[in-house]
Amino acid sequence: GEEVAQTPKHLVRGEGQKAKLYCAPIKGHSYVFWYQQVLKNEFKFLISFQNENVFDETGMPKERFSAKCLPNSPCSLEIQATKLEDSAVYFCASSHSPGSYEQYFGPGTRLTVT
Amino acid sequence: QQQVKQSPQSLIVQKGGISIINCAYENTAFDYFPWYQQFPGKGPALLIAIRPDVSEKKEGRFTISFNKSAKQFSLHIMDSQPGDSATYFCAAVTNNAGNMLTFGGGTRLMVKP
Repeated sequence: GEEVAQTPKHLVRGEGQKAKLYCAPIKGHSYVFWYQQVLKNEFKFLISFQNENVFDETGMPKERFSAKCLPNSPCSLEIQATKLEDSAVYFCASSHSPGSYEQYFGPGTRLTVT
Repeated sequence: QQQVKQSPQSLIVQKGGISIINCAYENTAFDYFPWYQQFPGKGPALLIAIRPDVSEKKEGRFTISFNKSAKQFSLHIMDSQPGDSATYFCAAVTNNAGNMLTFGGGTRLMVKP
């Protein structure tokens, strides 16, 4: 597609429950990025993929967060045992490779942990 | 450590005026500087970007000015319109860090009719 698609739009989970978010990058884009935007507008980089391979995972809290980009499937970001501080908007972005720095963002998934 | 500092946090401009948002960075390895516009409930949209070998880039009413020696860059919105009211983020990328975006803290712009 011509736009990054993210589902669901909103997700509500009780503390300790699992949350799974999905992202379909723009067709032809090989790089996928996940960012977390918290209430004060601060963006935090989580992880990036080059096709199905992890490219950079320096921002991932690995004890509870995991992500995958499998061939012919939407990319996913999963949070095991959610905590209140995980409440945020999670954005996926995609980029055409190689060497392109232009990242195009999806509409985001708002996760609320109660 | 905040690698990209953005100011002001909020800005009110009259219709037709010039909106100016400033950013400063510390990491000299940054080699691409985009600006994003975000409306409430939406994802950031790429507005304009510049590389450090260029001092100015203009696209329509939007201009980036870049000062490599001062490690500063700014966004100018000429003839600001109420439809420009949004949050603007500067960002920086270095290609030896996985192309991840390092964002500034954002500026909430309101253009009054």
